[in-house]
Amino acid sequence: AQKITQTQPGMFVQEKEAVTLDCTYDTSDQSYGLFWYKQPSSGEMIFLIYQGSYDEQNATEGRYSLNFQKARKSANLVISASQLGDSAMYFCAMREGTGTYKYIFGTGTRLKVLA
Amino acid sequence: EAQVTQNPRYLITVTGKKLTVTCSQNMNHEYMSWYRQDPGLGLRQIYYSMNVEVTDKGDVPEGYKVSRKEKRNFPLILESPSPNQTSLYFCASSPHSLAGINSPLHFGNGTRLTVT
Repeated sequence: AQKITQTQPGMFVQEKEAVTLDCTYDTSDQSYGLFWYKQPSSGEMIFLIYQGSYDEQNATEGRYSLNFQKARKSANLVISASQLGDSAMYFCAMREGTGTYKYIFGTGTRLKVLA
Repeated sequence: EAQVTQNPRYLITVTGKKLTVTCSQNMNHEYMSWYRQDPGLGLRQIYYSMNVEVTDKGDVPEGYKVSRKEKRNFPLILESPSPNQTSLYFCASSPHSLAGINSPLHFGNGTRLTVT
């Protein structure tokens, strides 16, 4: 069965430093997509980055990059040069490419950036 | 502007009083879904729909109903709300087909429901 695991309930990082948020997944599908979303204290869900299961290169979007290790079934989010505005809850999600195309989410990691 | 519109943003109600949370999207998306978010549990799927008149249970469907009579609308109905349904609810949509696998979910702004 599909599963997303985020083992870090909370993390701290110093401003301007890099931070890695962990995400592991489980699926029997060969085709799937992995997503990261940010939820600031205002509550909205903001899409950050996507990685496809067949993508050979790690995805990057500005200060966000996804460290994709397919054999280990991990899709860690790396935020470089952290900013105070990065303080938020971060969710890892997966969508399978067959059947229901269902999305599932992890339990989230709350990141606090320290000045 | 492409968006998912969810109403109301806040709702306080009493046990047993039927309520509906509306959700509408203007992106012609086939896939729509409802999630509830609770501390420590992340987002859990309540119901989803892959197209008009096609709905299916997610992971936590008990106590909820949905309908998909039009492509753009996907209301969430609580026939007899209970305090354990107090939560933050999100509606979301995306393209459905395999071509849409790389499409992120577009979320509404959320509905914070309190059942007393």
